[in-house]
Amino acid sequence: DQQVKQNSPSLSVQEGRISILNCDYTNSMFDYFLWYKKYPAEGPTFLISISSIKDKNEDGRFTVFLNKSAKHLSLHIVPSQPGDSAVYFCAASGRAGGTSYGKLTFGQGTILTVHP
Amino acid sequence: SQTIHQWPATLVQPVGSPLSLECTVEGTSNPNLYWYRQAAGRGLQLLFYSVGIGQISSEVPQNLSASRPQDRQFILSSKKLLLSDSGFYLCAWSVLAASTDEQFFGPGTRLTVL
Repeated sequence: DQQVKQNSPSLSVQEGRISILNCDYTNSMFDYFLWYKKYPAEGPTFLISISSIKDKNEDGRFTVFLNKSAKHLSLHIVPSQPGDSAVYFCAASGRAGGTSYGKLTFGQGTILTVHP
Repeated sequence: SQTIHQWPATLVQPVGSPLSLECTVEGTSNPNLYWYRQAAGRGLQLLFYSVGIGQISSEVPQNLSASRPQDRQFILSSKKLLLSDSGFYLCAWSVLAASTDEQFFGPGTRLTVL
């Protein structure tokens, strides 16, 4: 049962354009969402996160949008740069019950390639 | 500042051999600790997590086990490796009862079972 899904295995974008990475979830108990970036043979690094009380969070070139009714979130990168080429994972956690061990459920990842 | 170490970086082991991967965290106390595996072309699968010394929770039935002998040390083991154990193993930590669930990952270990 894949509770967090990234349906696009890969995305190719021209440098300077917008990259939009999508993520869907099924568990309505998820209330915190994160995006990670991963280069080959390295551990993922945290990019940006959003709480379910918000619908948008922005950090420089990165913006995450959350649509709770659709159980959908997206990561926008503007403008895209060749150095952004990596695998992007979305992740979700649920703390609504008041207890959390910080467990994250990850999507399968999307390979972003930004062409010069 | 906090840092997380994993070793070895790469490992090639024959089927049926034992495994021990180690992870240590510096600069924080009583962290939550996690082991993940990324199989080829797949996402990150949570294998084990720990909220304290000697406290281990397994997420999926498998050929592996985990132990936490010290507060900032997390070990992933197997008595007999299978071909399907090949993958990229990641250790991560997070702050217990933090306001966010951000996890910080180590550099990973590439395990190839032949």
